[in-house]
Amino acid sequence: GNSVTQMEGPVTLSEEAFLTINCTYTATGYPSLFWYVQYPGEGLQLLLKATKADDKGSNKGFEATYRKETTSFHLEKGSVQVSDSAVYFCALSAGSGNTPLVFGKGTRLSVIA
Amino acid sequence: NAGVTQTPKFRVLKTGQSMTLLCAQDMNHEYMYWYRQDPGMGLRLIHYSVGEGTTAKGEVPDGYNVSRLKKQNFLLGLESAAPSQTSVYFCASSYKGVSEAFFGQGTRLTVV
Repeated sequence: GNSVTQMEGPVTLSEEAFLTINCTYTATGYPSLFWYVQYPGEGLQLLLKATKADDKGSNKGFEATYRKETTSFHLEKGSVQVSDSAVYFCALSAGSGNTPLVFGKGTRLSVIA
Repeated sequence: NAGVTQTPKFRVLKTGQSMTLLCAQDMNHEYMYWYRQDPGMGLRLIHYSVGEGTTAKGEVPDGYNVSRLKKQNFLLGLESAAPSQTSVYFCASSYKGVSEAFFGQGTRLTVV
């Protein structure tokens, strides 16, 4: 079946450090890939997405590239801020219809000043 | 600009009590989902619906029932609450299965 594996947290970084959160997936067909972010006390919101191989999703300084050859969708940001502290979820939606989103377990990021 | 609205936001139940969580979306989305979020477990799908009048089981359906009588509403019921159902519940909706999902703010449920 479809599944997502993302790196265990928590991750603690100093402000302006480089961030990578690894995400790999298993899926049949050609899934769409997503990163969601959850700020404390809130629901999840879409951060970025990519719908086909070699697509790069980007938003708020975050980037992720859909790598079909390595089945990966790693999240990166060149310089994190305290306001980026949150839980990040990688997710996929399989290419066929009627299949709901599958989420990774989430990675908690704490950025300290 | 409501999006996805969950009711209630907080609830404490005694073991054996029943309750219904309501999810409403105003985006005319076909797909709706109920997830639960537990520490270290990420989001686990309870039930979902791909259209009005349809429901399907997710990863952890036991102890829950759902109904989608109207396209905009998706109800999650607990017939006899158990402490293991203490969790944060999120509703989400999407236009299609491959589209991004929009989430509600969550319902924090405690069963004592």
